Amino acid sequence: GQQVMQIPQYQHVQEGEDFTTYCNSSTTLSNIQWYKQRPGGHPVFLIQLVKSGEVKKQKRLTFQFGEAKKNSSLHITATQTTDVGTYFCAGTLSSGSARQLTFGSGTQLTVLP
Amino acid sequence: DARVTQTPRHKVTEMGQEVTMRCQPILGHNTVFWYRQTMMQGLELLAYFRNRAPLDDSGMPKDRFSAEMPDATLATLKIQPSEPRDSAVYFCASGFLPLATNEKLFFGSGTQLSVL
Repeated sequence: GQQVMQIPQYQHVQEGEDFTTYCNSSTTLSNIQWYKQRPGGHPVFLIQLVKSGEVKKQKRLTFQFGEAKKNSSLHITATQTTDVGTYFCAGTLSSGSARQLTFGSGTQLTVLP
Repeated sequence: DARVTQTPRHKVTEMGQEVTMRCQPILGHNTVFWYRQTMMQGLELLAYFRNRAPLDDSGMPKDRFSAEMPDATLATLKIQPSEPRDSAVYFCASGFLPLATNEKLFFGSGTQLSVL
């Protein structure tokens, strides 16, 4: 079945340092979504990428979708303590059915002040 | 703002007891998902419904778990009998599928279940 691998599992950074999490799929994706879960909270949608090679930015966050539509990354520039949380990618196969909306294992980000 | 409502927020119970978790999806969403989150397994999809019909529950232990959607405003997840290994946070999420551009899942706040 489809698997979505996400690395690293944990990342500790000093405030002001950059952070990147990577998402890799065993199969080609129709689109990929990113979610953020604050400690004690629930996943909240950040963004969706659809096109091959697509790059989107939200302030200090940059999201990329690979040319082959099998991998994606989230990069945070100059992290802040408000960035703390777990970041999940979720990939969808071309059929778009929910069974193929597969979440990665998440990257837990800690930002040290 | 529209949101997914889950009850209870916390549940502590003893092994062998029945547990029922409830979810009110966002009005108009046609798909409801149940996820389980643990430190070891991350977010696991247990079951989902589209237009109230169960489409996939292959991620759910059949012998003790059951999921239903008696009407468009209520989804339930039951565990009977509960076991300590069921301790986790259970999330309900709703959305409108198939996912069009920028369609997203909305998660409830979760039910934190502890089975002693």
